[in-house]
Amino acid sequence: DAGVTQSPTHLIKTRGQQVTLRCSPKSGHDTVSWYQQALGQGPQFIFQYYEEEERQRGNFPDRFSGHQFPNYSSELNVNALLLGDSALYLCASSSKYGQGDFDEQFFGPGTRLTVL
Amino acid sequence: QKEVEQNSGPLSVPEGAIASLNCTYSDRGSQSFFWYRQYSGKSPELIMSIYSNGDKEDGRFTAQLNKASQYVSLLIRDSQPSDSATYLCAVPPSGFQKLVFGTGTRLLVSP
Repeated sequence: DAGVTQSPTHLIKTRGQQVTLRCSPKSGHDTVSWYQQALGQGPQFIFQYYEEEERQRGNFPDRFSGHQFPNYSSELNVNALLLGDSALYLCASSSKYGQGDFDEQFFGPGTRLTVL
Repeated sequence: QKEVEQNSGPLSVPEGAIASLNCTYSDRGSQSFFWYRQYSGKSPELIMSIYSNGDKEDGRFTAQLNKASQYVSLLIRDSQPSDSATYLCAVPPSGFQKLVFGTGTRLLVSP
């Protein structure tokens, strides 16, 4: 059973450039959430995609955008990169068949983005 | 007040001891609570989910939830050096499908 996959593993960009990160959810999952984790901090929620639409969004500027494809995979795009965008970008997948009112989220290995 | 608070540590325990990790949250309406383990340079791994007041045990791990006190904890029995990692408490706010994380507690288990 394939887990959550992300690509690329590492990425180095310069200020002002644009980047696209990719995520494939765990088999059987239909929801993808993206998080940013700065060094020494907990992950911060960027947004969530379900049925190819952005369902919820955190406190991130419009430079951060995303997309979900019919096969449930997702992309995170960041425009006009800033030094402060350097972080570990995590994708988490979930399905609507979990216990309780919240679907358990399982993380991929992450993409380490460095902005110079 | 932060939404989810944890002591950043490090918490140092000898091998074989019980490690106790604590977390408080601000949203009284939250109904689901999660503990993730994150090794250095790796992504978070879900190790425990708890939804009801009381204790939930899974192997060497026990999660404890007290909604009245807005407090959730993780006990690790018979701690091993391989348990050395950062433990993240995550609580979704009521009505939201997002996880809000604490800053994590770094656990060091010495042989």
